[in-house]
Amino acid sequence: KNEVEQSPQNLTAQEGEFITINCSYSVGISALHWLQQHPGGGIVSLFMLSSGKKKHGRLIATINIQEKHSSLHITASHPRDSAVYICAVLRFSNQFYFGTGTSLTVIP
Amino acid sequence: ETGVTQTPRHLVMGMTNKKSLKCEQHLGHNAMYWYKQSAKKPLELMFVYNFKEQTENNSVPSRFSPECPNSSHLFLHLHTLQPEDSALYLCASSQGRMSSYNEQFFGPGTRLTVL
Repeated sequence: KNEVEQSPQNLTAQEGEFITINCSYSVGISALHWLQQHPGGGIVSLFMLSSGKKKHGRLIATINIQEKHSSLHITASHPRDSAVYICAVLRFSNQFYFGTGTSLTVIP
Repeated sequence: ETGVTQTPRHLVMGMTNKKSLKCEQHLGHNAMYWYKQSAKKPLELMFVYNFKEQTENNSVPSRFSPECPNSSHLFLHLHTLQPEDSALYLCASSQGRMSSYNEQFFGPGTRLTVL
């Protein structure tokens, strides 16, 4: 069993829809990262958070340390948001664990 | 552009070949990383270098040999690979060692196919 589980694995949405991607983890962490990977491979770091909530444009990330859960929300989704979204947790030992990713397709 | 470049972007090699992957970062970072991404599997951290010193080797087979001549360049030397080594190899860098404060910047990756 992976230390980091993401759901759903695949998600298709209509343009404009509100999207939520979930991440649950089973280990104690110092931080959680949300990454975006576009077709072709390049990965971009979206958020790095250890508590509460962060917002950047149409993206919002929340984390509940007690429940070992994080969510990534996309408001007013757009086809350019189509990508794989990866949750990664950093343990206090500085080990990184990655989820398998959520593949998002936003249809015009 | 994240400031991290990788070459080549695509590589096809036979099991008896020797090749090298190159990563260069233009961000003034001190730490560099090699990751492997196989289909349907989570990213796997392979090696970590901090100030040119290897600080982590996550049980990677010896057919993968990293080299970090300076803080800006990282190589991954490949020899006698197996078809199951086919994957996307990603390089990343950060200002300091991975921590809750240091964001990693990723390169575009090298898509490796071993025949």
